[in-house]
Amino acid sequence: NAGVTQTPKFQVLKTGQSMTLQCAQDMNHEYMSWYRQDPGMGLRLIHYSVGAGITDQGEVPNGYNVSRSTTEDFPLRLLSAAPSQTSVYFCASSYGPGSGANVLTFGAGSRLTVL
Amino acid sequence: QQPVQSPQAVILREGEDAVINCSSSKALYSVHWYRQKHGEAPVFLMILLKGGEQKGHDKISASFNEKKQQSSLYLTASQLSYSGTYFCGSETGANNLFFGTGTRLTVIP
Repeated sequence: NAGVTQTPKFQVLKTGQSMTLQCAQDMNHEYMSWYRQDPGMGLRLIHYSVGAGITDQGEVPNGYNVSRSTTEDFPLRLLSAAPSQTSVYFCASSYGPGSGANVLTFGAGSRLTVL
Repeated sequence: QQPVQSPQAVILREGEDAVINCSSSKALYSVHWYRQKHGEAPVFLMILLKGGEQKGHDKISASFNEKKQQSSLYLTASQLSYSGTYFCGSETGANNLFFGTGTRLTVIP
């Protein structure tokens, strides 16, 4: 039982490049989300999904795309990387919000640097 | 939509107590508390639902005042292992959990 798996752990990009951060969970969680963590800013929600085929924007969605074709996978795409997207990215999943059981399990994180 | 946490940082000696506060401008469905060790992912500590309940986890407990939209995390007789950054997360009934900016707790011998 791996929980939430994120790849890659580290990535360096040049401005303007695109890339995809991968996230997979094996807990049959319906809810998945992406957060970014910056010093002094806490964890900010980028995008989330309440089930396969359903995604929505969080607090800071600009510059990012997501899709959810399966229950297990929730990739985050950076379309044209900018230095402001230098951050640590966390993927998280849970059984679902509003049920009192929206306890998030986080992946180990992906540290992205944009030069 | 982020809840506000205070203090931003606190340093304790082993055995001392601490309180971390979290307040929201929106009505809360639940409040979550997570702890993050340096270089690691946040880990769930406890969840408090509407109803003003208080929960405990070893010597760490929390309260939730629904009317004031506030929660407090109490760390009693702190241990070195308590060091880390503590985040409160507010669930407002929509499909989101919003986190505060964190409280860095350092426990020294």
